[in-house]
Amino acid sequence: DVKVTQSSRYLVKRTGEKVFLECVQDMDHENMFWYRQDPGLGLRLIYFSYDVKMKEKGDIPEGYSVSREKKERFSLILESASTNQTSMYLCASSAARQGSNQPQHFGDGTRLSIL
Amino acid sequence: GQNIDQPTEMTATEGAIVQINCTYQTSGFNGLFWYQQHAGEAPTFLSYNVLDGLEEKGRFSSFLSRSKGYSYLLLKELQMKDSASYLCAVRNGMGSGGGADGLTFGKGTHLIIQP
Repeated sequence: DVKVTQSSRYLVKRTGEKVFLECVQDMDHENMFWYRQDPGLGLRLIYFSYDVKMKEKGDIPEGYSVSREKKERFSLILESASTNQTSMYLCASSAARQGSNQPQHFGDGTRLSIL
Repeated sequence: GQNIDQPTEMTATEGAIVQINCTYQTSGFNGLFWYQQHAGEAPTFLSYNVLDGLEEKGRFSSFLSRSKGYSYLLLKELQMKDSASYLCAVRNGMGSGGGADGLTFGKGTHLIIQP
């Protein structure tokens, strides 16, 4: 079974802090993704990566950055946390295979509160 | 732009059949996914359609009409454990290929199963 592990289930930080959310997958997947999920808005894509050191902006990248130094690990960084970044953050990974229906596998999520 | 619509909430009876509809208007199309998400848990993959027609997997089936921008998820022999949110998501295929592009999600349909 695919295992996507997010380092924290719950996290509380203060406005202006630098926040790191970590995600590790154990299936040697090429692709990794960060989403946030908010009531009434659904899941929205922040950033994704298709290879080590490669990153692409998603639909809502403002206020975030990412790091992919190793294939299995994808980090989401809030450079200066703000209250509107309080949300559930979900990491996902998928295998790269052209023309194939590779689903994304999600971690359990990190519920981040910015005070 | 990207727009995916699905009903906010539906109620059905244990043992019955329910159909959850999804319509989409996206700048590209490279497959449609259905996910199930129980409260407080990660989304889990249910089905994938890229060609028109019906895909059946046990009690769950999913249908796609690309010309109409329409999909539905059909759940048969409903069980109480099917109470969850059901997420429709489109892969727009604008990325580098190999599935390395994120998904655009609908806001989800909260399905309530009554005894």
